[in-house]
Amino acid sequence: EIVLTQSPGTLSLSPGERASLSCRASQSVNSNYLAWYQQKPGQAPRLLIFAASSRATGIPDRFSGSGSGTDFTLTISRLEPEDFAVYYCQQYGNSPRTFGQGTKVEIK
Amino acid sequence: EVQLVESGGGLVQPGGSLRLSCAASGFTFSHYWMYWVRQAPGKGLVWVSRINSDGTDSTYADSVKGRFTISRDNAKNTLYLQMNSLRAEDTAVYYCTRAYYYDSSAHWPFDSWGQGILVTVSS
Repeated sequence: EIVLTQSPGTLSLSPGERASLSCRASQSVNSNYLAWYQQKPGQAPRLLIFAASSRATGIPDRFSGSGSGTDFTLTISRLEPEDFAVYYCQQYGNSPRTFGQGTKVEIK
Repeated sequence: EVQLVESGGGLVQPGGSLRLSCAASGFTFSHYWMYWVRQAPGKGLVWVSRINSDGTDSTYADSVKGRFTISRDNAKNTLYLQMNSLRAEDTAVYYCTRAYYYDSSAHWPFDSWGQGILVTVSS
């Protein structure tokens, strides 16, 4: 099973600032099958990024993904008030599909 | 508009059973692989099970293998999760979710999600 470790656990930032979230895999992720999701309290997750760097339909271009192999990053270029949430990475190249433990982006 | 609506959750005693349903609308259900993902209170997301589009193939997380069964009725546009021998650690919000087809690889993330249904296993 591929273990995904996200860091930091919590990121305290102000609106307008840049956020960089890390996701490290215990082994190489096949073909960069790595996704990022956003989850707000009481809501279902929302797909942001797939294939490490492709934005899902309707996702603003302030969200970008990068990385390959075992190291991946989600960047939010300028935080909007609605971006404060928990973010999860997921690998879907190996079974079982696994998620990271999440990074909470909170208002400083 | 794609909609996934879960039902069937609730409080059950350890060792008991529940069947979750997920009613799908707004898309051609029979074309899509479907999944169950759960989230224990205050915890992260955990993949539980998946089923292919015609229901002939399914896989499970080790933690539920032999206890949970995923199935689907494409005529009724409904996904199911039969949960037997429930344990306290199965307590979670259960989400049904759909594959996001962006290539032909059979490796897909999850796009549309239901609102989730709470399952509580407690005496």
